[in-house]
This record gives sequence, structure tokens and C-alpha cells, in this order.
Amino acid sequence: DAGVTQSPTHLIKTRGQQVTLRCSPKSGHDTVSWYQQALGQGPQFIFQYYEEEERQRGNFPDRFSGHQFPNYSSELNVNALLLGDSALYLCASSRGTSSSEAFFGQGTRLTVV
Amino acid sequence: GQNIDQPTEMTATEGAIVQINCTYQTSGFNGLFWYQQHAGEAPTFLSYNVLDGLEEKGRFSSFLSRSKGYSYLLLKELQMKDSASYLCAVRDNTNAGKSTFGDGTTLTVKP
Repeated sequence: DAGVTQSPTHLIKTRGQQVTLRCSPKSGHDTVSWYQQALGQGPQFIFQYYEEEERQRGNFPDRFSGHQFPNYSSELNVNALLLGDSALYLCASSRGTSSSEAFFGQGTRLTVV
Repeated sequence: GQNIDQPTEMTATEGAIVQINCTYQTSGFNGLFWYQQHAGEAPTFLSYNVLDGLEEKGRFSSFLSRSKGYSYLLLKELQMKDSASYLCAVRDNTNAGKSTFGDGTTLTVKP
């Protein structure tokens, strides 16, 4: 079992550009949640996908969007990148939306210059 | 919304016991998680509490009091590798169950 995998692991983008991050959930998991973690802070919830729909959204602007595919994998898209978007982006997968545990991927370190 | 408070830093000695506290204010509650995160790595699931009481898993135990909005993570027989950030997260009781994280407690274990 490969667990939760994210790609790429590191990424450098310029202000104003767009970025797409990818996540493959752990085998048997159907729910994917995305988080942004700035240095020294806890992960901040961006949104959650279940059955290919966005089920809940955190306090993030519309520049942040996502998608879930029939195989449960997911993408996070960020448009018009700002310097403040530099962070570790984490994907967590679970079985259902009320599971007793969630597994995180290793994250994508995004640097906006 | 949710508000999670935990100490920023703690230091303990190898072989000792340490308790990391977490208090929360929530508009709805559907479980509390503890995660371990080593620097530069992803969080690793440690424990889950949804009912009051103590859950024990090896050297790690987690306690929950829903009426007090309080939880703690207890680490016994500390090892150097336990030096990490410990994150408390509360899930709300909406249909999607969003989890709100605290900023983590950085634990340093000294010889």
C-alpha cells in the first residue's frame, strides 16, 4: 500500500502564475481534504472532496479550487499566486467524512517568488 | 467556528513522562485528533477521541473531556525520537466534518 502520495514534492512559481497540485489517496479511501500549512503554524483547512464534490470549504478565496476524479484522486489549483501562498500543502485521505483517522501525504512545498 | 489552544513549546527528559494539553471552543464537536509532525515531514496520526475518557496506545495515551473542552496527550518513557511538534485537531459535526488544527506544541526531549 503506497499510502497517500502527493506530487510534486517541491515547486517554485512566480507571482501571478497558476499551480496544480495532485494527491492520490490511500487505497480504500474515498475522501480527500486539502490543507495549507505555513511555517510554525498548524494546517489550515482549504476544502474537502467526497463523491467528486466539494463538501466543505475553509476560509480561502476563490483563487483556490479543486477537483476529485472518479478514482478518488484529487487536484488543488491556485490561480494568481501571491507571495503569501508559499507554504506546505498537505493532502489527507480517509474512508468517509467521519472516519476515526486520516492519513496525510508528505506534502508539496510551494515557494512563490 | 473552532478555536484550539495548546502550549507552544515544552521540554522533557529522556525516559520521563510528558503531558501536552489542548483546550478548544467549538460550535459543534465530532472528535478530537492528535498528530505527530517531525520537522519537514507530514503529520502522522496518533489518536482519536470522540467519547470522554482515556484511550491508550502503547507509550501514547489521549484523554478527552467534552464538557470541559479539554484533551491531553500523554507520552511515557520518552525517547529522543519523540522530539517533534504535536498537533491537536477538532472535527466539527457538519456533514463534511472539517478538522481545525491548533498551531502545535514543539516538544524537545533532552538526554
